[in-house]
Amino acid sequence: DTGVSQDPRHKITKRGQNVTFRCDPISEHNRLYWYRQTLGQGPEFLTYFQNEAQLEKSRLLSDRFSAERPKGSFSTLEIQRTEQGDSAMYLCASSLAELGPLYEQYFGPGTRLTVT
Amino acid sequence: DAKTTQPNSMESNEEEPVHLPCNHSTISGTDYIHWYRQLPSQGPEYVIHGLTSNVNNRMASLAIAEDRKSSTLILHRATLRDAAVYYCILRGTNSNSGYALNFGKGTSLLVTP
Repeated sequence: DTGVSQDPRHKITKRGQNVTFRCDPISEHNRLYWYRQTLGQGPEFLTYFQNEAQLEKSRLLSDRFSAERPKGSFSTLEIQRTEQGDSAMYLCASSLAELGPLYEQYFGPGTRLTVT
Repeated sequence: DAKTTQPNSMESNEEEPVHLPCNHSTISGTDYIHWYRQLPSQGPEYVIHGLTSNVNNRMASLAIAEDRKSSTLILHRATLRDAAVYYCILRGTNSNSGYALNFGKGTSLLVTP
């Protein structure tokens, strides 16, 4: 257990439905990341927050995706009008901003989304 | 971003050393070399990182070539628990993407009894 938790662990939804995932980072970590991982591939960066500010979104994050971190603690990732191509593992990670590239990211167990 | 190249898969016998190679010929002088691994059905976990000198920790050793164009992650005695996908990742001091990790496909390590 890394101290990063994600909920739910598994989600099955029908195409067109909206889904929301939650991530609780390590409490003192001010930086939070979302990644997506499809079968056989490494995780791909989606977006990150420093405290409550969303500082970057990758081109993978379409308009149907939105992420929030309202009080700089937990974060949510919402996917609207899900498509089959959204089926993937969604991973959350947290770290301390101050040490930059020297500080490792701690990952949660992920939420596996299946869109039918 | 500088890219890394790793073999798709490797196999090792239990209790033998494993050397996982990574090529990064376009590495810049300020890029750190990080290794993460991902056990089945889990999120990735940090293994080790280095800049120029070889590094050791309780999990592994990292040997960095003198020209820094390649590195090797060394597991001194592989166990069945070490079966995982190992990712070699370069992290620069440019704070774009908040130092997000660029994973690539990694090397899938199979450990046999």
